[in-house]
Amino acid sequence: DGGITQSPKYLFRKEGQNVTLSCEQNLNHDAMYWYRQDPGQGLRLIYYSQIVNDFQKGDIAEGYSVSREKKESFPLTVTSAQKNPTAFYLCASTPIPQRERNEQFFGPGTRLTVL
Amino acid sequence: KNQVEQSPQSLIILEGKNCTLQCNYTVSPFSNLRWYKQDTGRGPVSLTIMTFSENTKSNGRYTATLDADTKQSSLHITASQLSDSASYICVVSVSGAGSYQLTFGKGTKLSVIP
Repeated sequence: DGGITQSPKYLFRKEGQNVTLSCEQNLNHDAMYWYRQDPGQGLRLIYYSQIVNDFQKGDIAEGYSVSREKKESFPLTVTSAQKNPTAFYLCASTPIPQRERNEQFFGPGTRLTVL
Repeated sequence: KNQVEQSPQSLIILEGKNCTLQCNYTVSPFSNLRWYKQDTGRGPVSLTIMTFSENTKSNGRYTATLDADTKQSSLHITASQLSDSASYICVVSVSGAGSYQLTFGKGTKLSVIP
C-alpha cells in the first residue's frame, strides 16, 4: 500500500511533557508538511521540509520542532513550550516542491489531547 | 493579507438533492484553487484543482467552477449521497511560491440526511 501514515491516531499528554508525532510516507515525495487543525479554523502550517536535513518554519512554529533525517520520515515534536497543543495534527507530502499543480496528499491525522 | 472565505459554514440537505458551496478569495498572485473533502477525524482528500485558465472541472458528481476575475469558486454536488457528509475545504495557492504557500478556508460542513 502506498500512502502517508501517521501514528498514533490518538495521543494524550500531561502538561509539561514533550510528545512526538510520527509521519511516514512511501510515495517517494520530496516535500513534507505539518499542519494543525482546530475546530472552526482552517489548516495552519507548522513546519515544512523540501529536502532531507532541511526544514523551514511555517506560520505557527513556536513550541514545535521537527527533523528530516530520512526522505520517508518527518516527525513532529510538540514541546512543553506550546501553550495550547490540543488539536488535530495533519501531515502531508507532495512529489515535487516547485510545480504549481502539486497535489498535497494528507495522512489520516493524529488527535492530541493535553490533560 | 491572503484570505479564503467559505460559505455557508454548515449545510443540511436531503439525500438526492443538489447543493452548491461557495469560496471567495483574496490571494495574490493566484496560482491555483483546490477543493478537498475531509471526513470527520480523517485527512483531507483532493477533489479538484484548477489553474487560472480553467473555469470548470468535474470529478464524478462534483463540479467546481472558477471565476478568476471575481475571485470566486463554487463546488456543486449533484444527487447527494449520505457519504457526501463531510467538510469541504477550499485551498488557494500563491503563484511562484511552490506548493508550500497554501491558504486554507475554514470549510463548509455538509450533512446529507435520509
